[in-house]
Amino acid sequence: DAGVIQSPRHEVTEMGQEVTLRCKPISGHNSLFWYRQTMMRGLELLIYFNNNVPIDDSGMPEDRFSAKMPNASFSTLKIQPSEPRDSAVYFCASSPRQSKNIQYFGAGTRLSVL
Amino acid sequence: AQTVTQSQPEMSVQEAETVTLSCTYDTSENNYYLFWYKQPPSRQMILVIRQEAYKQQNATENRFSVNFQKAAKSFSLKISDSQLGDTAMYFCAFMKPHQGGSEKLVFGKGTKLTVNP
Repeated sequence: DAGVIQSPRHEVTEMGQEVTLRCKPISGHNSLFWYRQTMMRGLELLIYFNNNVPIDDSGMPEDRFSAKMPNASFSTLKIQPSEPRDSAVYFCASSPRQSKNIQYFGAGTRLSVL
Repeated sequence: AQTVTQSQPEMSVQEAETVTLSCTYDTSENNYYLFWYKQPPSRQMILVIRQEAYKQQNATENRFSVNFQKAAKSFSLKISDSQLGDTAMYFCAFMKPHQGGSEKLVFGKGTKLTVNP
């Protein structure tokens, strides 16, 4: 299996620009998670989906952030407009229904907002 | 809300020696799951070991084992026969059970482990 695939691997953008991060979960997994990692706050959940339905988006910082999961094999995290404080590594993870609650992580997207 | 605390920001150990990383957590749940994830410099998050709270037996995975003390809300990771490839950030994480899917992971701040030759 190819694992969780995230793109791009690195993203550099200027303040005010729109940024879209992409995630392809492992085939057959029904839960998908977006986490953000920063030096100050560590790893924290932004949002997660079960069966393509958002379950908990309490970690989404503000209205500038939005996430979608139009089907079981694809999800996006969009930031519009981006700000320097959004600079972080963004991880996507997926989990199958019968997994003993194990989450499998992608390689992450390192976002730098200048 | 659940919290996870890793009190050791950095640790080092000599190759082939044993090291223990500490983790405590706070929850009012009776059933839950605990995890240790490893993040090497490549930044990939890799599951090391998993423990179910209702199981009294400590989980083991080859050179990795845990000391799970439910009453004390403690979940330490022991790495035996440390190898250079064990150099990484180690994160302790907590998860509540969820019906029909999965739940979010709540992570500690991490412990940076360096294995010296």
